Amino acid sequence: EVQLVESGGGLVQPGRSLRLSCAASGFTFDDYAMHWVRQAPGKGLEWVSGISWNSGSIGYADSVKGRFTISRDNAKNSLYLQMNSLRAEDTALYYCAKGGSIPVWGQGTLVTVSS
Amino acid sequence: QSVLTQPPSASGTPGQRVTISCSGSSSNIGSNYVYWYQQLPGTAPKLLIYRNNQRPSGVPDRFSGSKSGTSASLAISGLRSEDEADYYCAAWDDSLSGPWVFGGGTKLTVL
Repeated sequence: EVQLVESGGGLVQPGRSLRLSCAASGFTFDDYAMHWVRQAPGKGLEWVSGISWNSGSIGYADSVKGRFTISRDNAKNSLYLQMNSLRAEDTALYYCAKGGSIPVWGQGTLVTVSS
Repeated sequence: QSVLTQPPSASGTPGQRVTISCSGSSSNIGSNYVYWYQQLPGTAPKLLIYRNNQRPSGVPDRFSGSKSGTSASLAISGLRSEDEADYYCAAWDDSLSGPWVFGGGTKLTVL
């Protein structure tokens, strides 16, 4: 069974940093692109960032470009999101998602940016 | 403002058939597959439809998807109370909007 488990969320002050992790299992991790998608409280879904299977292609939403960095470690079946210079508007549930023809999402980790 | 356009709400009575529309453009729905997600309160989105009209294993055949041009729709037949949820459409996008774009979501109420 494909499983994605996010971790690393929490309460952080504006301007500080946080690193999210996603542990993948049940599939060949380095066969797939991976993504981060977020959902602000009471709002819709927003793609945040994506990375190809070999990290050769990386993309970011304009809202996080220059502040967030996506990375992966295929040896550890893990995906990461380094979030710097956090803002109140980054408060959201962050989901890790497997690419491919049948996307799979994790349960999410909550990031709250507040003083 | 979401890239894909969905009605904010829809409703139906038990047993009815309801449809939810999703409108996009040539760079997303017009040239790529459409996906549909169901989000029950307090839970992560669940994939209902992939590649326009395919159901993952475990999704009842009451749920069906279709696509025509730059629009898509999700149909739910034999509506049940447990279908009350938020529904999102999604598609790949070939422009600068990002690989994945989403609709704003449709809140389905079972009356």
